[in-house]
Amino acid sequence: EAGVAQSPRYKIIEKRQSVAFWCNPISGHATLYWYQQILGQGPKLLIQFQNNGVVDDSQLPKDRFSAERLKGVDSTLKIQPAKLEDSAVYLCASSVSGVNTGELFFGEGSRLTVL
Amino acid sequence: QQQVKQSPQSLIVQKGGISIINCAYENTAFDYFPWYQQFPGKGPALLIAIRPDVSEKKEGRFTISFNKSAKQFSLHIMDSQPGDSATYFCAASIDKAAGNKLTFGGGTRVLVKP
Repeated sequence: EAGVAQSPRYKIIEKRQSVAFWCNPISGHATLYWYQQILGQGPKLLIQFQNNGVVDDSQLPKDRFSAERLKGVDSTLKIQPAKLEDSAVYLCASSVSGVNTGELFFGEGSRLTVL
Repeated sequence: QQQVKQSPQSLIVQKGGISIINCAYENTAFDYFPWYQQFPGKGPALLIAIRPDVSEKKEGRFTISFNKSAKQFSLHIMDSQPGDSATYFCAASIDKAAGNKLTFGGGTRVLVKP
């Protein structure tokens, strides 16, 4: 079974530029998450989708971050304009909806460096 | 109230020794407590998990101990091996119909010396 796919793996941009990350979850997983992991810290949830609807985006900096999940499958996370503090690994995860097993399946992440 | 506090931030253990990582939470609505293991350059992967109605769960060399009254839980890695060198995150979630929303601790970097 294919895992969660993310791209690009690495991205370096100047502050105030824009960047987009793509995620394709495990087939059949209705719930998709974007987490931000700053170096040396635990992942922090940015946004959670159930199919193509947003369940929780309370910690998403909406003035600069946006995310969409068209057709309830893959998703894009965009940052515009980027700030230095956005340097982090952006992790996409998916899970089977409605089952509280605590098991999220994570991709390998997209590492963003903002200069 | 959503915070999960994890300690220590890092630890070094000799091969064959025991690694112990502790976590504490405040929100009594949390009802599922997984531990994730993360290797450099990889995403976290589920290692073991426990629910509040169980005080201990063991899978191979990994054991979770859970103290509901103290709102604390811990991970014990017995007979630690160099391949266990990784960052470990405790987490907590609240059962919701729309999937799991995990709150992670800050992580513990474990180094097992051969």
